[in-house]
Amino acid sequence: AQSVTQLDSHVSVSEGTPVLLRCNYSSSYSPSLFWYVQHPNKGLQLLLKYTSAATLVKGINGFEAEFKKSETSFHLTKPSAHMSDAAEYFCVVRRRSSNTGKLIFGQGTTLQVKP
Amino acid sequence: KAGVTQTPRYLIKTRGQQVTLSCSPISGHRSVSWYQQTPGQGLQFLFEYFSETQRNKGNFPGRFSGRQFSNSRSEMNVSTLELGDSALYLCASSLNRGTVNGNEQFFGPGTRLTVL
Repeated sequence: AQSVTQLDSHVSVSEGTPVLLRCNYSSSYSPSLFWYVQHPNKGLQLLLKYTSAATLVKGINGFEAEFKKSETSFHLTKPSAHMSDAAEYFCVVRRRSSNTGKLIFGQGTTLQVKP
Repeated sequence: KAGVTQTPRYLIKTRGQQVTLSCSPISGHRSVSWYQQTPGQGLQFLFEYFSETQRNKGNFPGRFSGRQFSNSRSEMNVSTLELGDSALYLCASSLNRGTVNGNEQFFGPGTRLTVL
């Protein structure tokens, strides 16, 4: 079985300060992990993904995440928040080698960026 | 290359009616998955299609069904609508089946269904 827990439902930061969105996962299989972002009234956009290579993954718009197997975590970070980063963020797990592409989503974290 | 398109974008129905939502995947993509997004339950997997066959199904009642056509376009149908079916329905397409070669999923903008 697989599951994802996003530890914060809402995070508020000031523009220019660091962003940390926390995610823990549980998986009976070797996992692939993703972070998706959803802006209001828009679909989901992939920020970054971990499949099995480097544990530190760089994504779009300056975001990165580190896969820590010992801590079963995949936290998302960004050194400096921008107003345009305000959105909902989803941590997602999927079985790495499978006939199904089924994604398991966390509950989401709303990121608020204050001027 | 055009992205995933979903029609209609917004839909209002009444309880007991049925509804059909459409998804056109990115050109060349052969796999389509559907997800339901609600404030209470979050994002949940509905079903996955590849080569016109349902490959996986989530934990939803039989009122929810879908199909995929030979051109990879997909439709999902909800019969006997209930108030709780109000949600954003998202479609995602990918090149291959399962997790072959990473097989990233690309999402459409969704169809917002409101059941009154």
